Amino acid sequence: QITLKESGPTLVKPTQTLTLTCTFSGFSLTTSGVVVGWIRQPPGKALEWLALIYWDDDKRYSPSLKSRLTITKDISKPQVVLTMTNMDPVDTATYYCAHSNRGGTEYWGQGTLVTVSS
Amino acid sequence: QPVLTQSSSASASLGSSVKLTCTLSRRHINYIIAWHQQQPGKAPRYLMKLEDSGDYNKGSGVPDRFSGSSSGAARYLTISNLQSEDEADYYCETWDSNTRVFGGGTKLTVL
Repeated sequence: QITLKESGPTLVKPTQTLTLTCTFSGFSLTTSGVVVGWIRQPPGKALEWLALIYWDDDKRYSPSLKSRLTITKDISKPQVVLTMTNMDPVDTATYYCAHSNRGGTEYWGQGTLVTVSS
Repeated sequence: QPVLTQSSSASASLGSSVKLTCTLSRRHINYIIAWHQQQPGKAPRYLMKLEDSGDYNKGSGVPDRFSGSSSGAARYLTISNLQSEDEADYYCETWDSNTRVFGGGTKLTVL
């Protein structure tokens, strides 16, 4: 059974760096074709893809946010970490991590709400 | 990169059928998409992957009432025998080696 769970701060201040952790089970991020990604959803708005990391450590980022994002993986834990710099109130959203295998998202985490406010 | 277009809202009566549409940008009409359901206050749930041929592959536990079809750049999600729990937001997603893209979502109201 594949599960993913996001963790991190619920409140960050403007200009701070956000660090979110996705802890997963039921699959290995060393298996060919497996991908873990991050998606966010501002309150009342649509889903927005942020970043993904492939089994071979290749990485992709949303063009509009690329300069602020870093995605890494720790196979031993196993976890995927997303950092987003220079947070702004418009970054207030629920952040989801998700699993894919040679295609689109198949499993979602429960999400974690991050509020950006001073 | 691909663009996905969805109507913002749809409605249908309890027990009836509804067909939701996700339209790919013209250059990407052969892309596979995925449909996701997001019930109020919950995380999204994967429903199915849908190819340009109309072949689809549903996720585990997705009821038989959910089906997919395709025509040109359009990808459809049909829900038959609508139930109250089908009232949700529905998102389509597509991807290539460099990106993932979500549509704006369709809010389905069950009357």
